[in-house]
Amino acid sequence: GAGVSQSPRYKVAKRGQDVALRCDPISGHVSLFWYQQALGQGPEFLTYFQNEAQLDKSGLPSDRFFAERPEGSVSTLKIQRTQQEDSAVYLCASSERGANTGELFFGEGSRLTVL
Amino acid sequence: QKEVEQNSGPLSVPEGAIASLNCTYSDRVSQSFFWYRQYSGKSPELIMSIYSNGDKEDGRFTAQLNKASQYVSLLIRDSQPSDSATYLCAVNLPRGSYIPTFGRGTSLIVHP
Repeated sequence: GAGVSQSPRYKVAKRGQDVALRCDPISGHVSLFWYQQALGQGPEFLTYFQNEAQLDKSGLPSDRFFAERPEGSVSTLKIQRTQQEDSAVYLCASSERGANTGELFFGEGSRLTVL
Repeated sequence: QKEVEQNSGPLSVPEGAIASLNCTYSDRVSQSFFWYRQYSGKSPELIMSIYSNGDKEDGRFTAQLNKASQYVSLLIRDSQPSDSATYLCAVNLPRGSYIPTFGRGTSLIVHP
């Protein structure tokens, strides 16, 4: 597609439910990032993939968060046993080259609300 | 100290004025610096990148980098109401890989 596509755009979950957020990056983009953005804050890094390899997951806030990109294109961010503090916008971004280029193209985000 | 610091604002300027947005960062080895604009309810979009000390101009936007002072700024000339948005500074910080790390953003309001 022309841009980074994320789904669902909006997700409401009851506390304790599992959720899965999908990101379809720009075709051919090597790098893929997940960020979490709380209201009034900047995006906070979660994890980074270069092709199918997860090179950095140091930003994942707990072991309830898991991300994968098995074929080096589409990525899924999974949150198990959601908590209210997980409520945020989850942004996916892709980059044509490696991480050090930093020129990121963002999707529209998935807004998660945990009740 | 946060790794990338920005004043949250809001910064309010009249239409036609110069808006000056500032950012400091913690790691001297950083080599790549970016400004993103984020409209309310939308995702960030890249407006400027800068890699070398000095100024880089693109239309009404000028990015300024001073690595010795660990400081990067964005100037917006002839500000327009459509420039009203949050401006995010991003710095590639070394953490194994170089990861684009964002400040909290500065809210800019341009009033007619």
